[in-house]
Amino acid sequence: EAGVVQSPRYKIIEKKQPVAFWCNPISGHNTLYWYRQNLGQGPELLIRYENEEAVDDSQLPKDRFSAERLKGVDSTLKIQPAELGDSAVYLCASSLDGAKENIQYFGAGTRLSVL
Amino acid sequence: GDSVTQMEGPVTLSEEAFLTINCTYTATGYPSLFWYVQYPGEGLQLLLKATKADDKGSNKGFEATYRKETTSFHLEKGSVQVSDSAVYFCALRTGTASKLTFGTGTRLQVTL
Repeated sequence: EAGVVQSPRYKIIEKKQPVAFWCNPISGHNTLYWYRQNLGQGPELLIRYENEEAVDDSQLPKDRFSAERLKGVDSTLKIQPAELGDSAVYLCASSLDGAKENIQYFGAGTRLSVL
Repeated sequence: GDSVTQMEGPVTLSEEAFLTINCTYTATGYPSLFWYVQYPGEGLQLLLKATKADDKGSNKGFEATYRKETTSFHLEKGSVQVSDSAVYFCALRTGTASKLTFGTGTRLQVTL
């Protein structure tokens, strides 16, 4: 069974440019998470979806970040415009809410460099 | 709010040495506790977990015991291998479908 798939793996852009990341969760997983991992730090949640509904977006900088999960499957995270401080690894995770063991499975991440 | 504190790395050990990575936490309620591992160029993988006090999680020779009285979840392995070189993250979760709160990670380097 395929794991969580993210693309692209790497992205280099200039500041003020837009950028988008894509995530395909594990089939059947209803909960999807976007985390940001700064260099030398642990991941921090940006947004959590249950199916197509964003149920926790309190840490998402809404002035420049947006996310969507159409049809409750794939998700995209967008930054517009990007700033130097947005350089980080963006991780997507998914889980099956209601399962006996609600484990979050992570993708390999997208490493963003803003120049 | 919830928080996790890990010992700073890097931790450098010779192969077959004993490993301990300390982790303590602060949380409201009764969290579940996790250790995730991140190998170079890969995503986070669940290593082990414990959901209630005195539970011991174990996997691949690694162990950690949920100590409520000391709010700790230290990771141990009796004999490390070069292939264990990675970054280890301690994390907690309060609620079944809520976010994970991670520590800053501890890099382990094992040499021959």
